[in-house]
Amino acid sequence: AQTIHQWPVAEIKAVGSPLSLGCTIKGKSSPNLYWYWQATGGTLQQLFYSITVGQVESVVQLNLSASRPKDDQFILSTEKLLLSHSGFYLCAWSPPLYFGAGTRLSVL
Amino acid sequence: GQQVQQSPASLVLQEGENAELQCNFSTSLNSMQWFYQRPGGSLVSLFYNPSGTKHSGRLTSTTVIKERRSSLHISSSQTTDSGTYLCALPVNTGNYKYVFGAGTRLKVIA
Repeated sequence: AQTIHQWPVAEIKAVGSPLSLGCTIKGKSSPNLYWYWQATGGTLQQLFYSITVGQVESVVQLNLSASRPKDDQFILSTEKLLLSHSGFYLCAWSPPLYFGAGTRLSVL
Repeated sequence: GQQVQQSPASLVLQEGENAELQCNFSTSLNSMQWFYQRPGGSLVSLFYNPSGTKHSGRLTSTTVIKERRSSLHISSSQTTDSGTYLCALPVNTGNYKYVFGAGTRLKVIA
C-alpha cells in the first residue's frame, strides 16, 4: 500500500527557533513530491516541488527551505521561525495528488 | 487573476438534501481533482477526473474541459459530509504546480 508519513503531528515553537518537518513515502517509486501550507482559514498554497532526489524548486517564498535527501524523503526547514509561519503543512506526491495527514505548527 | 474559482463559498443543508458544488478554471485543463478537507485539516482525494463523469457512492463529479468547469454533486447529504470541498488542477506544463480553489464549506444539519 502507498502511504505518506508526516512528522511531527504538531509543533509549538518560539519565534526565531529552528524548524524541521519531514515526510516519508512508502510504496511509490520516484514520486513527484510537494510541500503545501495553509494558514488558518486560508487557501492551500504550494511551497515546493521535487521531481527527483537532490532537486527542489521553490514556488512561494516564505523564508523556508526544502530538501530531498532520498527518493522517499522530503524535508521542510528554516533556521528562524516567524509568526507568519504558523499554519498547517502538508506533504504530497503526484500524480495524482495524494496528501499526508499534515503537521500543525503554532509559532508563539 | 484567480485561476481556480469555487462556488458557493459556503452552504448549509438539511440532512437528506442534495448539493451541487462548482469549480471554474481560467487556465487550460488537463487534469483536475476534488478533495474533501476534514475539520481537522487532513485531505481526502475524492475524484481524479480529467474529463467526463465519475461516480463514487453518493458523489458524482462532472468535468467539461471545453467549458473549463467541473462540478461535484452530493446526493442525500449526511452530517458526516460536513467539511470543506476543494478542487485543484495543475497550471504548468509538466504538471508540477498545482493550484487550489478557496473551497466550499459545507455544513449538514440533522
